[in-house]
Amino acid sequence: DAGVIQSPRHEVTEMGQEVTLRCKPISGHNSLFWYRQTMMRGLELLIYFNNNVPIDDSGMPEDRFSAKMPNASFSTLKIQPSEPRDSAVYFCASSLAFTTGPGGSPLHFGNGTRLTVT
Amino acid sequence: QQQVKQSPQSLIVQKGGISIINCAYENTAFDYFPWYQQFPGKGPALLIAIRPDVSEKKEGRFTISFNKSAKQFSLHIMDSQPGDSATYFCAASRGSSNTGKLIFGQGTTLQVKP
Repeated sequence: DAGVIQSPRHEVTEMGQEVTLRCKPISGHNSLFWYRQTMMRGLELLIYFNNNVPIDDSGMPEDRFSAKMPNASFSTLKIQPSEPRDSAVYFCASSLAFTTGPGGSPLHFGNGTRLTVT
Repeated sequence: QQQVKQSPQSLIVQKGGISIINCAYENTAFDYFPWYQQFPGKGPALLIAIRPDVSEKKEGRFTISFNKSAKQFSLHIMDSQPGDSATYFCAASRGSSNTGKLIFGQGTTLQVKP
């Protein structure tokens, strides 16, 4: 089990540039989550997908943020244009959510992408 | 009502001592309460979790105590070791929706002195 794989590990970009973060969930998991971690706001959920379909994007801060999951093994989080306040560690996580009834498997996090926007 | 409040913000414990971290929540619809451990440069990793139908769950040196009426839960680390030095997050979710849709506490940085 390779775990959740995120790339790049570090991204430094200038304000106004487009940033794309990538994630490969654990094989067999059907739920994928994007979280953001900052000192001020802690860990907060941005968006999550079930079976590649976006279910809840209420945490996406602005229209500058978008996320896609074209297939079960790949997701992207895009920021366009980026701003200094977007600087944070972005985590992708995956789990196996039961399609019938409550519960599911624990959430497994990747090691994150540290984004710095100057 | 969606917040989970965690305390203390930081904690220093001697090796062999007991570390205690507390969390409180408001939303009575929460029914899944995990604790995550995070080391620098790594993502959070699930440590232990509890559902409100039990008052305590123990896994090795780690114990969750749950008080449904008070809407509080806590993590106890027995015989704390330097390797336990990390940031700990409590969280809560409605398992009926998705246990991965977590509301996290603010985190506690634990330092265990040798």
